[in-house]
Amino acid sequence: AQTVTQSQPEMSVQEAETVTLSCTYDTSESDYYLFWYKQPPSRQMILVIRQEAYKQQNATENRFSVNFQKAAKSFSLKISDSQLGDAAMYFCASLNTGFQKLVFGTGTRLLVSP
Amino acid sequence: AAGVIQSPRHLIKEKRETATLKCYPIPRHDTVYWYQQGPGQDPQFLISFYEKMQSDKGSIPDRFSAQQFSDYHSELNMSSLELGDSALYFCASSSPGTGDYQETQYFGPGTRLLVL
Repeated sequence: AQTVTQSQPEMSVQEAETVTLSCTYDTSESDYYLFWYKQPPSRQMILVIRQEAYKQQNATENRFSVNFQKAAKSFSLKISDSQLGDAAMYFCASLNTGFQKLVFGTGTRLLVSP
Repeated sequence: AAGVIQSPRHLIKEKRETATLKCYPIPRHDTVYWYQQGPGQDPQFLISFYEKMQSDKGSIPDRFSAQQFSDYHSELNMSSLELGDSALYFCASSSPGTGDYQETQYFGPGTRLLVL
């Protein structure tokens, strides 16, 4: 069974600073995807970044990047130059290939202060 | 770019009533997923459809049913509603394409269901 663990219920960062959100996962599959989704107060689920397990290169999307450690089953999200609009709940999720379901972690609430 | 459309956005029902939630996937997306998110919880998978056939089933109550139609839109039917069904219901869709978009699920804005 897939499991995703986010051990940080809440994190705080100041504007323009960098913050890292942690995520560990477990799956018996060799081929899978990992995602970070952002859920602002509007509760819309917004895709932040996507990582394919077979790719060793860490994914980046503008100020967002991941540190994917496959052997350790770790998938952390780094947000650089934090902005007030980054304040949200962040969910880490895994997906086994074959158009299967997303399995989410419990989320990390990110607070951004001026 | 077109996104996933869900209707209605808000729904208030009484206990034991029925509700129908609709989802219109991104054009050319053939796979639809339904998730339920309770207050303060992470989304939980309910059911999915690929090419109008049920492809996977999660912790969906027997009171709920769903289908995907020929135009790929999907409907989630909920009967004998209970107070505990109050939640945010998301629909997501994904494309059979390759590359950066493969197997990536894009979410609609959700339907907020309140059962009184």
